[in-house]
Amino acid sequence: QQPVQSPQAVILREGEDAVINCSSSKALYSVHWYRQKHGEAPVFLMILLKGGEQKGHDKISASFNEKKQQSSLYLTASQLSYSGTYFCGTEKSGGATNKLIFGTGTLLAVQP
Amino acid sequence: KAGVTQTPRYLIKTRGQQVTLSCSPISGHRSVSWYQQTPGQGLQFLFEYFSETQRNKGNFPGRFSGRQFSNSRSEMNVSTLELGDSALYLCASSLAGTDSRGAQYFGPGTRLLVL
Repeated sequence: QQPVQSPQAVILREGEDAVINCSSSKALYSVHWYRQKHGEAPVFLMILLKGGEQKGHDKISASFNEKKQQSSLYLTASQLSYSGTYFCGTEKSGGATNKLIFGTGTLLAVQP
Repeated sequence: KAGVTQTPRYLIKTRGQQVTLSCSPISGHRSVSWYQQTPGQGLQFLFEYFSETQRNKGNFPGRFSGRQFSNSRSEMNVSTLELGDSALYLCASSLAGTDSRGAQYFGPGTRLLVL
């Protein structure tokens, strides 16, 4: 079942912060985050594993609440380059595969 | 290292035809996954290959098939094309092995239009 992302879209001014949420109805082993710019391929941002800690990448960080099967992506002091569609990809517990089920995406637009 | 490459980049076919798409993973990556991306359904998992074996399959009809070669290059085939198969087909490679998860690195995709 496809994870649900919220919000569906968000418009920011440069320097503002944003949070994107990803919720699943199934127990998760890991959550991946990707960003896709218009006309380009998705680009990997980070993975959060079950039992792992919050991760950060420059001014983008994420958390993973295993009990709630939820992950949140935090974008701090947004830059124009952050614009794009953000997808979470979830992997169920168990198995040794790379089967990712992606969320519906969150469109982020950062304006000057 | 060179990234994931996909050929062809664009393709126009008519209903009933078949098509083969190719994907060359990043050197050293043994896992290759295929996804279909459409505006209505988003990114949907087709299948994943690891060491020439299909490890997992998504909920697509049997018209969609794939294979992986000993050099980790992969192909996917769609037979008896339907209008609804028009989409961007993305291939992603990963270092992940039998007991670990890894980042997936996507190719530029093949945009297929079925008329």
